[in-house]
Amino acid sequence: ELQLVESGGGLVQPGRSLRLSCTASGFTFGDYAMSWVRQAPGKVLEWVGFIRSKEYGGTTDYAASVRGRFTISRDDSKSIAYLQMNSLKTEDTAVYYCTRDRSLTHANWGQGTLVTVSS
Amino acid sequence: DIVMTQSPDSLAVFLGERATINCKSSQSLLFSSNSKNYLAWYQQKPGQPPKLLIYWASTRESGVPDRFSGSGSGTDFTLTIGSLQAEDVAVYYCQQYYSNSRTFGQGTKVEIK
Repeated sequence: ELQLVESGGGLVQPGRSLRLSCTASGFTFGDYAMSWVRQAPGKVLEWVGFIRSKEYGGTTDYAASVRGRFTISRDDSKSIAYLQMNSLKTEDTAVYYCTRDRSLTHANWGQGTLVTVSS
Repeated sequence: DIVMTQSPDSLAVFLGERATINCKSSQSLLFSSNSKNYLAWYQQKPGQPPKLLIYWASTRESGVPDRFSGSGSGTDFTLTIGSLQAEDVAVYYCQQYYSNSRTFGQGTKVEIK
């Protein structure tokens, strides 16, 4: 069964860093692009960024709101995708979902992990 | 960034009646080389992650009931729920994946009248 499990969320002060992990199982992780999507409490979905599979260069793209602060990486040997978040702001407070992409869409979603940025 | 605008923000429909949600993009999502519209629809029920319903504007994801259908091309798209069921109460989002910076619409909340 396909599973995506996010971890690493929690309370962090503004300006600090946090790294989220997305542990995948039930499929050949290295064959797929992976994305991160976030949702502030009671708000709408916001695409954060994604990382292509190694077949497509393993390159990344990011939303303007996080570009330069967030970095997505992957470890195909461990079936884990990461979201490194630096210089966090209060407006980064959200549930962060990882997704397995198929045909550029978010075909499968994890349950999400909550990140709260507050002093 | 491509801006996605959904309408209405919310709607209430009787059980068994049709629900229609519109999505307009600030630029065309039709890729000429393959004639595909890079538009997806997602459903998010309370307390759950979103679920992919439709991609390529009109292709239903496996397992999605056939009362859900997508249509449109270019900049104007529609999600139709043919006969609303109680389990369809949710927020529905469109998303473009034409550009490398993907963007979602603001969501449409569907309720039972």
